[in-house]
Amino acid sequence: AQSVSQHNHHVILSEAASLELGCNYSYGGTVNLFWYVQYPGQHLQLLLKYFSGDPLVKGIKGFEAEFIKSKFSFNLRKPSVQWSDTAEYFCAVSRVYNFNKFYFGSGTKLNVKP
Amino acid sequence: DTGVSQDPRHKITKRGQNVTFRCDPISEHNRLYWYRQTLGQGPEFLTYFQNEAQLEKSRLLSDRFSAERPKGSFSTLEIQRTEQGDSAMYLCASMDKAGRGSDTQYFGPGTRLTVL
Repeated sequence: AQSVSQHNHHVILSEAASLELGCNYSYGGTVNLFWYVQYPGQHLQLLLKYFSGDPLVKGIKGFEAEFIKSKFSFNLRKPSVQWSDTAEYFCAVSRVYNFNKFYFGSGTKLNVKP
Repeated sequence: DTGVSQDPRHKITKRGQNVTFRCDPISEHNRLYWYRQTLGQGPEFLTYFQNEAQLEKSRLLSDRFSAERPKGSFSTLEIQRTEQGDSAMYLCASMDKAGRGSDTQYFGPGTRLTVL
């Protein structure tokens, strides 16, 4: 069965610090990869996604993620965080071209101190 | 506003009672998902509909859970004989038809179930 691991459960940063959140998945085949964000009191929303092509994917609000196939990883990065980035971040996986089922990680709560 | 609505937003019930939740996806989205999320965890896939057909169902879903999407629009999730372990946030998401260039799930606000 597929699984998604997010090893950082809670991250605290000061504004302007750089961010990297880890995501590893276990699945032997080709996958689609996603990062979702949930701001306090809001719905889950898509931050960025990778299907194929350039392994460095840019998303909204200055976020980017890099797919490293050999490491089964899809880490999320942002060079300089803002207080408004305080949220919970979820990594998700689906089998390529198969959107019947998605697997989510347990999430990382990011707290950015002003 | 993502456009996916769920009703009710909160439900408190006693153990052993049946509950039903409703999800209205974004109009014309033919793909619909149900997830369960407990505290400290990410969304856990429950089931998937394409139009009215239930194409995928999690093995974790016990036979007390049933979902329908009779006309390919709104969907309902019913839990029979609720147990305290069913307490969770139940999320619905919808996705546009395949081939329209957007394989993005849009999530609703969720229904928070508390079983006493």
